[in-house]
Amino acid sequence: SQELEQSPQSLIVQEGKNLTINCTSSKTLYGLYWYKQKYGEGLIFLMMLQKGGEEKSHEKITAKLDEKKQQSSLHITASQPSHAGIYLCGAVPDLDEKLTFGTGTRLTIIP
Amino acid sequence: DGGITQSPKYLFRKEGQNVTLSCEQNLNHDAMYWYRQDPGQGLRLIYYSQIVNDFQKGDIAEGYSVSREKKESFPLTVTSAQKNPTAFYLCASSMGRFNQPQHFGDGTRLSIL
Repeated sequence: SQELEQSPQSLIVQEGKNLTINCTSSKTLYGLYWYKQKYGEGLIFLMMLQKGGEEKSHEKITAKLDEKKQQSSLHITASQPSHAGIYLCGAVPDLDEKLTFGTGTRLTIIP
Repeated sequence: DGGITQSPKYLFRKEGQNVTLSCEQNLNHDAMYWYRQDPGQGLRLIYYSQIVNDFQKGDIAEGYSVSREKKESFPLTVTSAQKNPTAFYLCASSMGRFNQPQHFGDGTRLSIL
């Protein structure tokens, strides 16, 4: 079965600084998804990546899928308090395979 | 606005009792899912349904049951056979197969009295 490892597990960043979260898969990825969760709430879909080398951006968040399709990074530029929360990556190894989630990265933004 | 509604937000279960968590979506999505989230373990798939009147077991289906009588609704029953039900339960839906992005409700937190 596919396993996803996220790093770091937690991150404390000063407001205005940039940061990167990584997601590494034990298998080649068919699709990679990034979600954000605030404590006690549901997951908010951020982005989906499918092609090796693909890069997508939404506001100040950029996600990239490496060429070999086994690792993705999520980069936040000029972090703000609204970026705080738990970031989870999810992946499917093949078209009809179930979605597997990483254990998440907890992001704290300090003034 | 389209979305997924889970209710209740908080639920308490007594020993030996079955409880049902509600999940309704108005996104016209074919597929619906139930996940369980425990601290440090990420999300684990309980059951999923890709079409009305059909559903499949996920990775941790024991002690749970579901039904899919309507496209919009996918209730989850936590039975007394589930010995460790305390968790945060999340319902999701998607257009179709697993490669489509899943959209989530706000969750139900279940605790034992």
